[in-house]
Amino acid sequence: EIVLTQSPATLSLSPGERATLSCRASQSVSSYLAWYQQKPGQAPRLLIYDASNRATGIPARFSGSGSGTDFTLTISSLEPEDFAVYYCQQRSNWPPTYTFGQGTKLEIK
Amino acid sequence: EVQLVESGGGLVQPGGSLRLSCAASGFTFSSYWMHWVRQAPGKGLVWVSRINSDGSSTSYADSVKGRFTISRDNAKNTLYLQMNSLRAEDTAVYYCARSGVVPAASFDYWGQGTLVTVSS
Repeated sequence: EIVLTQSPATLSLSPGERATLSCRASQSVSSYLAWYQQKPGQAPRLLIYDASNRATGIPARFSGSGSGTDFTLTISSLEPEDFAVYYCQQRSNWPPTYTFGQGTKLEIK
Repeated sequence: EVQLVESGGGLVQPGGSLRLSCAASGFTFSSYWMHWVRQAPGKGLVWVSRINSDGSSTSYADSVKGRFTISRDNAKNTLYLQMNSLRAEDTAVYYCARSGVVPAASFDYWGQGTLVTVSS
């Protein structure tokens, strides 16, 4: 089973700053890597799919990069509504199974 | 507008059974893979199960294999999760989610979740 490790566990930043979140896979996941945002009491929301493609309606300040085992979610300039928990997720080839990272909490400094 | 609405959660004793439903609307349900994802209180997301578009292929997380069964009724636009032999560690909010188009590697729409509590 592929394990996804996210770092840091908690990131404390101020609005307007740049956020860089990391996701490392225990083995190559090709580009089948997605990022989600979750706010308290809400369902997750897809931000990035296939490592670097923004989902519908996602602001341009969110970007994803990476391939193989190392991936990054970057938020170029933090807005107040961006403070939340972020998860990465991958799909294995066959049979299709899916795993999530443990999450990074982005909190206001 | 895509909508996914879960129901069927509640309190159940250890060893008991429960069936969750997810009513889908706003898209051609029969064309998409569907999933169940759960989240224990205060914890992270865990994928539970997946079913392909016509119901002929399924897969499960090891933690639920042999106890949970995913199914779908494309005529009713509904996804199901039959949960048997429930354990305390199955306590979680259960979300249904839709995969995007092939390679169906991410979940582009989610329901609001239904809470399952396993306790005596």
